[in-house]
Amino acid sequence: KQEVTQIPAALSVPEGENLVLNCSFTDSAIYNLQWFRQDPGKGLTSLLLIQSSQREQTSGRLNASLDKSSGRSTLYIAASQPGDSATYLCAAVGGSQGNLIFGKGTKLSVKP
Amino acid sequence: NAGVTQTPKFQVLKTGQSMTLQCAQDMNHEYMSWYRQDPGMGLRLIHYSVGAGITDQGEVPNGYNVSRSTTEDFPLRLLSAAPSQTSVYFCASSYRGAEQYFGPGTRLTVT
Repeated sequence: KQEVTQIPAALSVPEGENLVLNCSFTDSAIYNLQWFRQDPGKGLTSLLLIQSSQREQTSGRLNASLDKSSGRSTLYIAASQPGDSATYLCAAVGGSQGNLIFGKGTKLSVKP
Repeated sequence: NAGVTQTPKFQVLKTGQSMTLQCAQDMNHEYMSWYRQDPGMGLRLIHYSVGAGITDQGEVPNGYNVSRSTTEDFPLRLLSAAPSQTSVYFCASSYRGAEQYFGPGTRLTVT
């Protein structure tokens, strides 16, 4: 059974710092991996999707990498801003139907 | 496009009552799903559908029913609400195997 883990559960950094959020998964036979952002009391906003055949995806200040052999994905945030404060969730898709297995998230706080 | 819409935003039920959470999408996505989000447990899959007329169970299906009569709509029915069903419910949709889009959620409290 696929399990997804995100460490640390919470992270606090000063504004301007570059940071990396980690996601690990137990079954390397994933179809794709998706990163989301969730603001308090809100829904999930998709940030990046990495297909199993890809190594990384970029969107603005965000870069996500995928290493299936080691069961790891990272989300790199460059030049962090207070507006980046949110909970970041990663989710692995095990098959083509699309069912997501979520980690429990990393709560990021960027201090001005 | 409105994307994925959910109604109601908030709901309070008494134990034993039934209700339907509505989910609709206007992107012609084949895949739709329901998740619940609980503190300490993360998001867990309740039911999903890969097309009209096709539904299947996820990780936590007990106490919930779904149907998919159209591509656009995927309602979630609580048959007899229990306090353990107090949660935030999210609906999602996508083309099969592609990026998934989530609705804003329904906060349900069962007393």
